[in-house]
Amino acid sequence: DTAVSQTPKYLVTQMGNDKSIKCEQNLGHDTMYWYKQDSKKFLKIMFSYNNKELIINETVPNRFSPKSPDKAHLNLHINSLELGDSAVYFCASSQWDTEAFFGQGTRLTVV
Amino acid sequence: QKEVEQDPGPLSVPEGAIVSLNCTYSNSAFQYFMWYRQYSRKGPELLMYTYSSGNKEDGRFTAQVDKSSKYISLFIRDSQPSDSATYLCAMSASGRDDKIIFGKGTRLHILP
Repeated sequence: DTAVSQTPKYLVTQMGNDKSIKCEQNLGHDTMYWYKQDSKKFLKIMFSYNNKELIINETVPNRFSPKSPDKAHLNLHINSLELGDSAVYFCASSQWDTEAFFGQGTRLTVV
Repeated sequence: QKEVEQDPGPLSVPEGAIVSLNCTYSNSAFQYFMWYRQYSRKGPELLMYTYSSGNKEDGRFTAQVDKSSKYISLFIRDSQPSDSATYLCAMSASGRDDKIIFGKGTRLHILP
């Protein structure tokens, strides 16, 4: 069983479109995150939710909106996609002081 | 064999000791090597970053990469209780489509 799964793994879309990336964890964790991998391979946090409540909201364009229907899911919606949004996006989850479990990443390509 | 192996610990050491954290990997294409630190109830944050082989030092932290042995290390000198956290190694190849592969993380406790 996959602990943290995100879909799709690859997403190619045109500028201006609206798209969503879904994330689900079956670990019973309370906290979920979205990270963006930048061109230097660094992982930068975007959002963090704890029990469906937004905890961390880093400086990202407001075209990015996380939505957590329940604590096992944290989806990322992106409106009016731009070329610069092309990157790999990682979902992760953790519980209290345990390590974070990462999904396999979604490669978004905006053309 | 998993792509990245990391001992989950926990590792408990007395304050002031030198800590050594390690990861092994199987993919010889990996070129970027990172260490992330995760405090309790927080997301991982980038701690150290190294490209290819060699050493990199930042304050009390030293990252080492031995590509011939497919082995990376993070050393923490003069360890402090505030260093208590989970440390994740991560690595990636250099291609544009390559994603970061994470180790499972090692829980470190620095005992006052």
